[in-house]
Amino acid sequence: DAMVIQNPRYQVTQFGKPVTLSCSQTLNHNVMYWYQQKSSQAPKLLFHYYDKDFNNEADTPDNFQSRRPNTSFCFLDIRSPGLGDAAMYLCATSRGRSGTTDTQYFGPGTRLTVL
Amino acid sequence: GQNIDQPTEMTATEGAIVQINCTYQTSGFNGLFWYQQHAGEAPTFLSYNVLDGLEEKGRFSSFLSRSKGYSYLLLKELQMKDSASYLCAVSGGSGGYQKVTFGTGTKLQVIP
Repeated sequence: DAMVIQNPRYQVTQFGKPVTLSCSQTLNHNVMYWYQQKSSQAPKLLFHYYDKDFNNEADTPDNFQSRRPNTSFCFLDIRSPGLGDAAMYLCATSRGRSGTTDTQYFGPGTRLTVL
Repeated sequence: GQNIDQPTEMTATEGAIVQINCTYQTSGFNGLFWYQQHAGEAPTFLSYNVLDGLEEKGRFSSFLSRSKGYSYLLLKELQMKDSASYLCAVSGGSGGYQKVTFGTGTKLQVIP
């Protein structure tokens, strides 16, 4: 089945220790997104890739970086995690069709704990 | 920018009908989505509306009025498994992708 996969599902890291979250998709979608969601809050868009074009949200901290080495994979790097970065990180994909509403499909998420 | 409002919590009885409302303000409206999110899980797509009117999909229906900036999600024949958060999300912008802004969600509790 075509899907969006995130690994790991649960990640524990130490304050200040870099961590990388991964996302892969078999949908062959052009667009990949990273969201941060804290408890009882809306998913907050961090950035997205349209093909290889990187689009950063204005309020995304510099501590967060992303890489998309190919169509299928996208990584979220947190360079120096703080306690406030503990959250669910959601990867999503969409086809990216101009002029139409573009449904996003989410992976299962990675829950990050910072000790 | 985009602003989305929906009730924080709702409670309904198994077998009943519940309507979850969403109001929004946005520029460059491209469509409105409803997602279901169970606790600790990722959002799953339920529906989207781009034109005014009602879209029906099994037990779930979604309505949109663009002139009023208003949508609702209607859930019929409620089941216990419908207990979840329901996120209203608005797509805005132009080009090959649109930015989707999510509301904080309505936590629905279905009781026996």
